Amino acid sequence: GNSVTQMEGPVTLSEEAFLTINCTYTATGYPSLFWYVQYPGEGLQLLLKATKADDKGSNKGFEATYRKETTSFHLEKGSVQVSDSAVYFCALSDPYNAGNNRKLIWGLGTSLAVNP
Amino acid sequence: GAGVSQSPRYKVAKRGQDVALRCDPISGHVSLFWYQQALGQGPEFLTYFQNEAQLDKSGLPSDRFFAERPEGSVSTLKIQRTQQEDSAVYLCASSLVTSGILTDTQYFGPGTRLTVL
Repeated sequence: GNSVTQMEGPVTLSEEAFLTINCTYTATGYPSLFWYVQYPGEGLQLLLKATKADDKGSNKGFEATYRKETTSFHLEKGSVQVSDSAVYFCALSDPYNAGNNRKLIWGLGTSLAVNP
Repeated sequence: GAGVSQSPRYKVAKRGQDVALRCDPISGHVSLFWYQQALGQGPEFLTYFQNEAQLDKSGLPSDRFFAERPEGSVSTLKIQRTQQEDSAVYLCASSLVTSGILTDTQYFGPGTRLTVL
């Protein structure tokens, strides 16, 4: 079945450091890939997404590229800020599920703490 | 213009009690999902509605779990005879519409934290 594996946290960085959070997936066919973020005390928010191979999703300085050959969707940011401290989740959905069922399959989440 | 809302935000139940968790999706959103998130874990899919039709309930962990969306808007997740292992955050998400390979954004509510003593 479909699954998502992401690097374990917590990740602790200093402000302006480079961030990479690894995410790999197992899926039949061509899933859509997502990064969601959960800030302290808030609900899950979509950060970025990609729907086909070689697509790059980007938002708020974060980027991730859909790599079919390595079944990966690593999240990167060139210079993190204290405000980026949150839990980041990688997820996938199968766009060909019956009934337009876009249920999300999730990784375990990676906690990021950015120190000033 | 409100987002997805859920109530109650927190629920404490004694083992064996029944609970009902409510989700108000964004108005006009066709798809509605329920997820369960245990502490320190990623969310796990429970069930999916398209309007009032429950098209997938494969993630419901037991027959003690029941969900409904009778008018295609508000949804209720009911857990009968709660057990300690039911303690988790229950998340509701809605999306406008999905078709073909278009992937629509799921908008999440704040969740209901259920603690079973």
